[in-house]
Amino acid sequence: EIVLTQSPGTLSLSPGERATLSCRASQSVSSNFLAWYQQKPGQAPRLLIYDTSSRATGIPDRFSGSGSGPDFTLTISRLEPEDFAVYYCQQYGSSLWTFGQGTKVEIK
Amino acid sequence: QVQLVESGGGVVQPGGSLRLSCAPSGFSEFTFSRYGMHWVRQAPGKGLEWVAFIGYDGSKKYYADSVKGRFTISRDNSKNTLYLQMNSLRVEDTAVYYCAKELAMGYYCDYWGQGTLVTVSS
Repeated sequence: EIVLTQSPGTLSLSPGERATLSCRASQSVSSNFLAWYQQKPGQAPRLLIYDTSSRATGIPDRFSGSGSGPDFTLTISRLEPEDFAVYYCQQYGSSLWTFGQGTKVEIK
Repeated sequence: QVQLVESGGGVVQPGGSLRLSCAPSGFSEFTFSRYGMHWVRQAPGKGLEWVAFIGYDGSKKYYADSVKGRFTISRDNSKNTLYLQMNSLRVEDTAVYYCAKELAMGYYCDYWGQGTLVTVSS
């Protein structure tokens, strides 16, 4: 089973700043089957990015994904007030799906 | 617009059973029988944990090791309903359970329900 480790655990930033979130896999992720989700308190997760870098329907272009092999990054170019939330990465491999433990982006 | 509604959560004693259901709402615009579906859970204050996946026609089923042998995912496409039968429940199964529609051959979850809370406690 591939383990995903996200860093940092918490990111304290101000609106307008750039956010860079990391997701590292314990082994190479097959075919870059990696996604990012956003979750706000009391809400279901929302898909942001899939296939490492493809934005899901309706996701603004300030969200971008990159990476390969074991290292992946979610970048939010300029934080909007509604972007403060918890972000999870997720991978698929060998008929198993795993999530990272999450990164909380909080207002500084 | 895709809307999913889970039901069936509640309080159950350790060792007990519960069956969760998930169905598109009346306003949902997708053909349920064409898509695979996932169950994902979230323990209170914790992160997301994938539980199970079922293919569009029910022929493929996969489970997390933590629930294998205790939980069964199934679907009834004639009723547009997804199920999760949970047996031999443990305290650590306490969580909000979300159903989610697949994207891209099942690799991801693009639409999620609002979740149903399962509490396992004596």
